[in-house]
Amino acid sequence: SQQGEEDPQALSIQEGENATMNCSYKTSINNLQWYRQNSGRGLVHLILIRSNEREKHSGRLRVTLDTSKKSSSLLITASRAADTASYFCPSQGTGTALIFGKGTTLSVSS
Amino acid sequence: EPEVTQTPSHQVTQMGQEVILRCVPISNHLYFYWYRQILGQKVEFLVSFYNNEISEKSEIFDDQFSVERPDGSNFTLKIRSTKLEDSAMYFCASRAEGSQYFGPGTRLLVL
Repeated sequence: SQQGEEDPQALSIQEGENATMNCSYKTSINNLQWYRQNSGRGLVHLILIRSNEREKHSGRLRVTLDTSKKSSSLLITASRAADTASYFCPSQGTGTALIFGKGTTLSVSS
Repeated sequence: EPEVTQTPSHQVTQMGQEVILRCVPISNHLYFYWYRQILGQKVEFLVSFYNNEISEKSEIFDDQFSVERPDGSNFTLKIRSTKLEDSAMYFCASRAEGSQYFGPGTRLLVL
């Protein structure tokens, strides 16, 4: 399968805690994107990290990329109830199509 | 900030009917996509479109589906004869500088 695999499948934390989710992929990449999907809603683009970057920040988000291990991680610091959603790191097929996995379902309780 | 928009937000149709889902991609983007998500399942790629032609399509995108960019702003997905299994959320996306930006989706229900 070419899809990115997110791990864990589900994560439950308290507000204020940090959430870390991981992604592994199989083929070489030019870049990796992370998305958020609230239940029944659209996919929100969070961040893109290029293959020559090791770390990138955007607000409370920190993404790392290890191309030697074909893995990436998304850290959400000081989580809020509004961060409750599913998170995806789709891989790219031979073209530009994104191939989605099952994602990590994050639940943040107050 | 520019966004991808989609209409309608919800569509209910009878099996066998034709539906057209509409999307307005972000204005300076050149690559356009349709994806779908059946309830409770993964997001699936349907088709990509560049330079007024299909550049890639999945096995799902059979002869019942077609896409069109009828003018400089709209991008449409047509399902000619809907089936029950076409019930899903359909997402349009457009791409620039490697990032794909998704619209809010059209929820299609085929009865």
